[in-house]
Amino acid sequence: DAKTTQPNSMESNEEEPVHLPCNHSTISGTDYIHWYRQLPSQGPEYVIHGLTSNVNNRMASLAIAEDRKSSTLILHRATLRDAAVYYCILQGAGGTSYGKLTFGQGTILTVHP
Amino acid sequence: NAGVTQTPKFQVLKTGQSMTLQCAQDMNHEYMSWYRQDPGMGLRLIHYSVGAGITDQGEVPNGYNVSRSTTEDFPLRLLSAAPSQTSVYFCASSYSRVQGNQPQHFGDGTRLSIL
Repeated sequence: DAKTTQPNSMESNEEEPVHLPCNHSTISGTDYIHWYRQLPSQGPEYVIHGLTSNVNNRMASLAIAEDRKSSTLILHRATLRDAAVYYCILQGAGGTSYGKLTFGQGTILTVHP
Repeated sequence: NAGVTQTPKFQVLKTGQSMTLQCAQDMNHEYMSWYRQDPGMGLRLIHYSVGAGITDQGEVPNGYNVSRSTTEDFPLRLLSAAPSQTSVYFCASSYSRVQGNQPQHFGDGTRLSIL
């Protein structure tokens, strides 16, 4: 399985933008880039995903490098509720790799009031 | 729409006891899976199912059994609990195995302690 590398932790102030980086240099052409987050004592929550183009939804934006070897999750205005562990995960497009999410350590995001 | 429902939320077992962790989804999802999360670590895949009647092993299947008799339910069975199985267990589901870009929906977890 292709692996991802994320910083162990990041800090932000409330109302400021947050850029969470992820490196995935061994990504294959059919791997989707998914982001999940896990709030304390809860299950992981889907945030956003993309393949090649940048993506926006109500929660965040995903910027994907042209060579797809890295990506950045962007929270436009951090709130205290965004404090969580953020996981960058590559998900195969089909076959035996589909659905098998490989979780790394993730990035612990701390948001200061 | 309840999403993915896991029961119980908490459970304490003695070594050697057996139990079943329940997982149900009401979204008509084909794909369901079980993960465990040990303290300070990411989730690891135990078993998964791509549809009713079909199951397969994940990364850490030893000590666990699963079955998928209906689309809605995917129970996880511990046949003889061991302290090493103390963990938080998460069930997840997604719409289809065909399209790999489907997000997964997770339950709130079952916190299991084996004494």
